Amino acid sequence: TQLLEQSPQFLSIQEGENLTVYCNSSSVFSSLQWYRQEPGEGPVLLVTVVTGGEVKKLKRLTFQFGDARKDSSLHITAAQPGDTGLYLCASEGNQGGKLIFGQGTELSVKP
Amino acid sequence: GAVVSQHPSRVICKSGTSVKIECRSLDFQATTMFWYRQFPKQSLMLMATSNEGSKATYEQGVEKDKFLINHASLTLSTLTVTSAHPEDSSFYICSARELAVYNEQFFGPGTRLTVL
Repeated sequence: TQLLEQSPQFLSIQEGENLTVYCNSSSVFSSLQWYRQEPGEGPVLLVTVVTGGEVKKLKRLTFQFGDARKDSSLHITAAQPGDTGLYLCASEGNQGGKLIFGQGTELSVKP
Repeated sequence: GAVVSQHPSRVICKSGTSVKIECRSLDFQATTMFWYRQFPKQSLMLMATSNEGSKATYEQGVEKDKFLINHASLTLSTLTVTSAHPEDSSFYICSARELAVYNEQFFGPGTRLTVL
């Protein structure tokens, strides 16, 4: 079973700072997804990366997929309080679409 | 994107009772639905995979007799927590997928279960 190691688990920063969240696996990802979850709600898909070396941008969020497709990162530029939430990476296993989630990164952006 | 709903959003029950949670795909037919549970400040843990018209496949360590899953139609799956105990208190989230149409899972808003 593929395991996803996500770091850091907790991050508390001031508004305007930059941050990076990492997601690593010992196995190759077929694809990798990043989600954001707010308290009391379900996760919302931010992006899916598929190709090694791929970079995708979503406003102030930049997602990278490692060349070997075993790691990924999420970089947030000039974080805002509205970015506060739980960020999750997830990968689809080889078994019928099951998603395996990383441990999550709890981000708190203080004004 | 597609919409998945869950009902109820919150439920409080007494220890020993059973609770049913519904997961509906509102504007698409979901051949597969997934059930997750999430404890505070933790990630989602997959409990079971449910395919329409067949028995659910449970993850290791999840008691199938305690967490009954039914996927009777292409738009509805239910999770019944039987003989609930305080340790079953958690946030339960479902997701739904139609492989032929969408290459992603759509998540419901979750159900907060509190067992007293």
